[in-house]
Amino acid sequence: GENVEQHPSTLSVQEGDSAVIKCTYSDSASNYFPWYKQELGKRPQLIIDIRSNVGEKKDQRIAVTLNKTAKHFSLHITETQPEDSAVYFCAASKGKGGKLIFGQGTELSVKP
Amino acid sequence: GAVVSQHPSRVICKSGTSVKIECRSLDFQATTMFWYRQFPKQSLMLMATSNEGSKATYEQGVEKDKFLINHASLTLSTLTVTSAHPEDSSFYICSATVGTGDGYTFGSGTRLTVV
Repeated sequence: GENVEQHPSTLSVQEGDSAVIKCTYSDSASNYFPWYKQELGKRPQLIIDIRSNVGEKKDQRIAVTLNKTAKHFSLHITETQPEDSAVYFCAASKGKGGKLIFGQGTELSVKP
Repeated sequence: GAVVSQHPSRVICKSGTSVKIECRSLDFQATTMFWYRQFPKQSLMLMATSNEGSKATYEQGVEKDKFLINHASLTLSTLTVTSAHPEDSSFYICSATVGTGDGYTFGSGTRLTVV
């Protein structure tokens, strides 16, 4: 089955710096790659997603890149702010209601 | 947007008892419901997948007789933790899709504590 590896497990940056989180997936049939932000005790919140027919997607300070050949995708957050501090998860699925498999998570800390 | 209501948000039960968690899709029909378990500082681990009107498919290592899943309608799925033990204490969360590839809608989660 699908396996998603995420790195790093923790990431500390200074306010205003960029943060990059990387994920690799094992199933080449996966075609939907969302990123979630989760605060303690809350549900995951979708922050951006990308489908396999595009290589990059951007939404203000957040961008995601996808390399289908290498089976990896990355989250880029620019101009980080303290409120970006949270746990971020990548995930992968085959779409069309297929099961969503999560990476291990990255605890991002943005220091003022 | 699509909303999944999950109840209860918190529950404390005694060891050996059963607990039922409900997830309702409020404004859409959930073709498929996924159930996850999340231990502190860990990821969301998929437990099972359920489709309306059919038996749930459990992930490897998940005891189907312990975690009973019912998806009797397109708007309601339930997870019953039977004979709960302290090691079952966790954050349980459901996620629904409409099967069109439009993404996943998560419930708010249930914090289960077994004492």
